[in-house]
Amino acid sequence: DAGVIQSPRHEVTEMGQEVTLRCKPISGHNSLFWYRQTMMRGLELLIYFNNNVPIDDSGMPEDRFSAKMPNASFSTLKIQPSEPRDSAVYFCASSSLSGTGGDTQYFGPGTRLTVL
Amino acid sequence: AQTVTQSQPEMSVQEAETVTLSCTYDTSENNYYLFWYKQPPSRQMILVIRQEAYKQQNATENRFSVNFQKAAKSFSLKISDSQLGDTAMYFCAFISRSGATNKLIFGTGTLLAVQP
Repeated sequence: DAGVIQSPRHEVTEMGQEVTLRCKPISGHNSLFWYRQTMMRGLELLIYFNNNVPIDDSGMPEDRFSAKMPNASFSTLKIQPSEPRDSAVYFCASSSLSGTGGDTQYFGPGTRLTVL
Repeated sequence: AQTVTQSQPEMSVQEAETVTLSCTYDTSENNYYLFWYKQPPSRQMILVIRQEAYKQQNATENRFSVNFQKAAKSFSLKISDSQLGDTAMYFCAFISRSGATNKLIFGTGTLLAVQP
């Protein structure tokens, strides 16, 4: 079975450019999560979706960040304009959320973003 | 609010020996899951083991086992017969099963080095 798929695996861009990260969750999962990992702050949850609807975006740093989930098999995280402090590894994860609460999250391989 | 604490930033073990990583958590809930994730140098977040809070029996997965002490809110990971491939950052994590929330709470991680 295919796991969570993320693209690109590496992205190098210049300050001010738009960056789009992509994620395909595991088929059948109804929850999708975007995390950011840095040395200083560890793993941070940016936003998560249930059934394609954003539920909690309190972790999104600022208006430069936006996330969409147009259908059950695809999500994007966009940074516009990008800044050097956005350099990090961005993970996408998916899980099944039932009426009894959260379940195991499976992570993609991550996208290492470098903003020069 | 739930919190997860890993008090050992780094640990080292000789190949073939056994090592135990500590994790404590704080919650007022009774129904939840606990996890250990492994992050090797490749950065991939890999699920190692899962424990359901309502199960008294400790979870095991091959060389990996946990010591789950619900009253003490402790969830340690034991790695037996350590292998060089076990070298990684290990994260303890908590998720509630008591409602609609689907947020995974991570500890700060323990960096494990397996020495030849």
